Amino acid sequence: EAQVTQNPRYLITVTGKKLTVTCSQNMNHEYMSWYRQDPGLGLRQIYYSMNVEVTDKGDVPEGYKVSRKEKRNFPLILESPSPNQTSLYFCASRLGDSNTGELFFGEGSRLTVL
Amino acid sequence: AQSVTQLGSHVSVSEGALVLLRCNYSSSVPPYLFWYVQYPNQGLQLLLKYTSAATLVKGINGFEAEFKKSETSFHLTKPSAHMSDAAEYFCAVSDIGAGSYQLTFGKGTKLSVIP
Repeated sequence: EAQVTQNPRYLITVTGKKLTVTCSQNMNHEYMSWYRQDPGLGLRQIYYSMNVEVTDKGDVPEGYKVSRKEKRNFPLILESPSPNQTSLYFCASRLGDSNTGELFFGEGSRLTVL
Repeated sequence: AQSVTQLGSHVSVSEGALVLLRCNYSSSVPPYLFWYVQYPNQGLQLLLKYTSAATLVKGINGFEAEFKKSETSFHLTKPSAHMSDAAEYFCAVSDIGAGSYQLTFGKGTKLSVIP
């Protein structure tokens, strides 16, 4: 089954404790992206990757890091989480050669930073 | 950069009534446009998309949207609402920035269906 898998789905942590949210897709997609969803603000892009070893900032990259060492994986790293990073996070992937292709989303990771 | 505006953060309709969710884009050049749906506790999934072919686009679950260049709009409609349509709907526009093909999402419209 084609899917984007995120882990963990739910996480409560404390300020400053480094954490990683993993994302993996099994569709051989070149393009992957992270979004955060906040009430009243919709989805905002954090980082994206056009292919292995190619990453770039989205609209709200501050406080986040990513890496793309393998095509299927695109982890999101919070080096020193703060309460304003409490949010619902989505990973998505798509074939990389078109701006008309469908984005496939994971089920989301709800993060709470105390 | 492209942007989309969704009018109404929350829309309520009765079961069986017409669903109309509004989306306007800002661009002098017609972009590619999408509607995504998010059911409770799930990720987003594509409902339909406009990619410069037919201006009336049909999607899944009986939804359709019409691209109107003169109004810079891409409103989503469904003739008869069903309880299962209760979800949040996002309009999105493609944004070609340095060949990166980014999607910019609207803030979403939460649809409630009243029995």
